[in-house]
Formats: sequence, structure tokens, C-alpha cells
Amino acid sequence: SQTIHQWPATLVQPVGSPLSLECTVEGTSNPNLYWYRQAAGRGLQLLFYSVGIGQISSEVPQNLSASRPQDRQFILSSKKLLLSDSGFYLCAWSAGSHEKLFFGSGTQLSVL
Amino acid sequence: DQQVKQNSPSLSVQEGRISILNCDYTNSMFDYFLWYKKYPAEGPTFLISISSIKDKNEDGRFTVFLNKSAKHLSLHIVPSQPGDSAVYFCAATDDYKLSFGAGTTVTVRA
Repeated sequence: SQTIHQWPATLVQPVGSPLSLECTVEGTSNPNLYWYRQAAGRGLQLLFYSVGIGQISSEVPQNLSASRPQDRQFILSSKKLLLSDSGFYLCAWSAGSHEKLFFGSGTQLSVL
Repeated sequence: DQQVKQNSPSLSVQEGRISILNCDYTNSMFDYFLWYKKYPAEGPTFLISISSIKDKNEDGRFTVFLNKSAKHLSLHIVPSQPGDSAVYFCAATDDYKLSFGAGTTVTVRA
């Protein structure tokens, strides 16, 4: 069966520090991969998605970036965090078009 | 630009009664719709979906209705149980990117 791992679960970082969140998927090949963010009291905002290794599409201009170094690995990064980057970050995967997304357990990021 | 809207941020319902959650969308290209349930500090979990070729899909206590002409869908939960207390997200897509609504917090009262 397929599983998705996301870590860390909680992260507290000072403003201006770097960020690296990692997500891996097991049990499937060539998944579509996604990073979403849920800000406090708001819905799920799509940040990045990838349909293949090295293929990254950005949905929202910001100081975050994403990379897909391996087929089932998706990384969210920032060189310098802002206060507004605080939120609940979710990694997800799907098998293709018009398929449901399976989400990881999320990372609560607090930038102070 | 919010293409999927859930205009009711919260809903309180008595245990055993029906919960009705509503969702509207603006993009007429959307052809696949989903509902997710989310507990605090956890990732959303898939509940039920419906294709635009249908107007109803049922799975146990959960039924989703789609009205394409009104660009509206709803989720019915019957009967509501305490474990149903969570945030429910509506989502829609016409390819592989899901657009989500802001969510509705459901509280089931004993």
C-alpha cells in the first residue's frame, strides 16, 4: 500500500532563517506531488506541484521554492523565512489527473 | 481568486440529525469534485467524490449532490455522529490540481 511521510511535525524558526521540509512517498511510482499551506483560519492554498522529477510549477509568488530530486521525494525550501510564512504545511500525492489527493500529516511552522 | 467557496464557516448539529454542508464553484471547467475531512494538526482525509456526469454519489452515511447548472454541490451526513466533528473541505478540479474551499467546521452536539 502507498504511504506518505512528512517531517518534521512541528517547527519553530526565527525570521530570516532557512527552511527545509521533506516529503517522501512509498508504494507508488511517478506520483504527482503537491505542497499546500493552510494559514490560520483559512483554506488550503496550493503552493507547488510536480508531475515528474525536476518539473516544478509554482502557483503563488513568494519566497518559498520546491524541488523534486527523486521520483518520490518533494522538498519545500526557503532561504529566509518571513513572519507570513507561518502556517500548516501539507504534502500530498496523487496517481494522476482527476484522482484524489492523499495528504501527509502536516508540519506546523511558526516563524517568530 | 477563490474558485471554490464554502460560505458557511461553521455548522452545529445534534447527534443523530442530518448535517448539510454546501459548496459553490465558479469555474465551469471543473468536472470532478471531492470532500475531505480534517482534524486539528492532521492532514485531510478523503471522504467522497463525484464526477460531473453524475448528480449524486452515496457512500454509507455520506451523500454528495451535484447541481451543475447552479455550480453547487452539497454533502449530507446522516446520521451525524460525535466523531464527525471536524473541518470539511470541498475541492474541485479539471486536471490534477485541486482547488479547495475555506472549509466548514462541523460540531456535533450530544
